[in-house]
Amino acid sequence: EAGVAQSPRYKIIEKRQSVAFWCNPISGHATLYWYQQILGQGPKLLIQFQNNGVVDDSQLPKDRFSAERLKGVDSTLKIQPAKLEDSAVYLCASGTTLGFTDTQYFGPGTRLTVL
Amino acid sequence: AQSVTQLDSQVPVFEEAPVELRCNYSSSVSVYLFWYVQYPNQGLQLLLKYLSGSTLVKGINGFEAEFNKSQTSFHLRKPSVHISDTAEYFCAVRFLSGGYNKLIFGAGTRLAVHP
Repeated sequence: EAGVAQSPRYKIIEKRQSVAFWCNPISGHATLYWYQQILGQGPKLLIQFQNNGVVDDSQLPKDRFSAERLKGVDSTLKIQPAKLEDSAVYLCASGTTLGFTDTQYFGPGTRLTVL
Repeated sequence: AQSVTQLDSQVPVFEEAPVELRCNYSSSVSVYLFWYVQYPNQGLQLLLKYLSGSTLVKGINGFEAEFNKSQTSFHLRKPSVHISDTAEYFCAVRFLSGGYNKLIFGAGTRLAVHP
């Protein structure tokens, strides 16, 4: 079974530029999550989808971050414009259901450096 | 307030020695508990999880953890570590309130195994 795929793996941009990350979840997984992991901290949930609908985006800085999940499969997370404090690893995860017992499977992440 | 605390940011240990990584949580509701491992430049991989039943949970790579409800802890243990266990370990808690699947992560513990 193929895992969660993410691209690019690394990205370096100047502040105020825009950037987009792509995630392809495990086939058949209904739920998809984006996490931000700042150096030295645990992952923090930004947004979660159930199929192509948003379940929770309460931690997403909506003035600069946006995310969509086209046709309930792939997802894109965008930052526009980027700030220095956005430097982090962005992790995508997927799961089969929204149930409490569901396990989340993580991709390798995209490391973003904002200069 | 609901929170997750990993008491040690770094744990150095010699190869073949036992190790314990500590995790405590604060919650007014029931919880499910998880340990994830993150190897350098990789995503998070599930080590083990506690949902119900026996409080001693066995996971992959020889790790186990014990849920202690009275002490609100979920410490991770391995009786004999290998060099390959060098990684970042994250405790995660799912608080069973609300209707959806949200994981809260601790800040992580870096395990460094020395020869």
